[in-house]
Amino acid sequence: GAGVSQSPSNKVTEKGKDVELRCDPISGHTALYWYRQSLGQGLEFLIYFQGNSAPDKSGLPSDRFSAERTGGSVSTLTIQRTQQEDSAVYLCASSFGFSEQYFGPGTRLTVT
Amino acid sequence: GIQVEQSPPDLILQEGANSTLRCNFSDSVNNLQWFHQNPWGQLINLFYIPSGTKQNGRLSATTVATERYSLLYISSSQTTDSGVYFCAVGFLLDTGNQFYFGTGTSLTVIP
Repeated sequence: GAGVSQSPSNKVTEKGKDVELRCDPISGHTALYWYRQSLGQGLEFLIYFQGNSAPDKSGLPSDRFSAERTGGSVSTLTIQRTQQEDSAVYLCASSFGFSEQYFGPGTRLTVT
Repeated sequence: GIQVEQSPPDLILQEGANSTLRCNFSDSVNNLQWFHQNPWGQLINLFYIPSGTKQNGRLSATTVATERYSLLYISSSQTTDSGVYFCAVGFLLDTGNQFYFGTGTSLTVIP
């Protein structure tokens, strides 16, 4: 079927506003991951969902960041009161169990 | 903390040359992948290789888990191989699963 999809592809927001980023994993994949990639940098692991288990939130950079996954499928990453340092590409990946991850195209977030 | 180091950080090759990229990690891993990030930012899966050796066309990879390193070989490089190559390692921990990306090798292949 289709690969991992993310929306929006680009988001420009003003400092202090809240944003929601969406990820649709590959159908049948049980695990879903969020990463952040700042300009010219590597990927920073944010959060991981496996099935219906409680997510591992240890990678979230601050309490302004939260994520949920509804029905074991679609996930939303929410950033409250955005700051300029939140500007980055947010990448989502999914896998079947703890195995090979497949990435979406990312959401480029710019906070002005 | 867990370290994932890639070398070299930058590499310039003449088209047709071969190269070896290395990924060192500080702990035993349960999961290891190599990715190619193209100039448009898309991460393309190359290998899922927590141990052993795999080959796919001009690319091959070897992971020696006991010695905590993985190698990616690119033979007969082409300009389309340009981009950043990342290794990513995963750990099954009691506190939750964790994933770490290396800092990448930026490859430029010149015609």
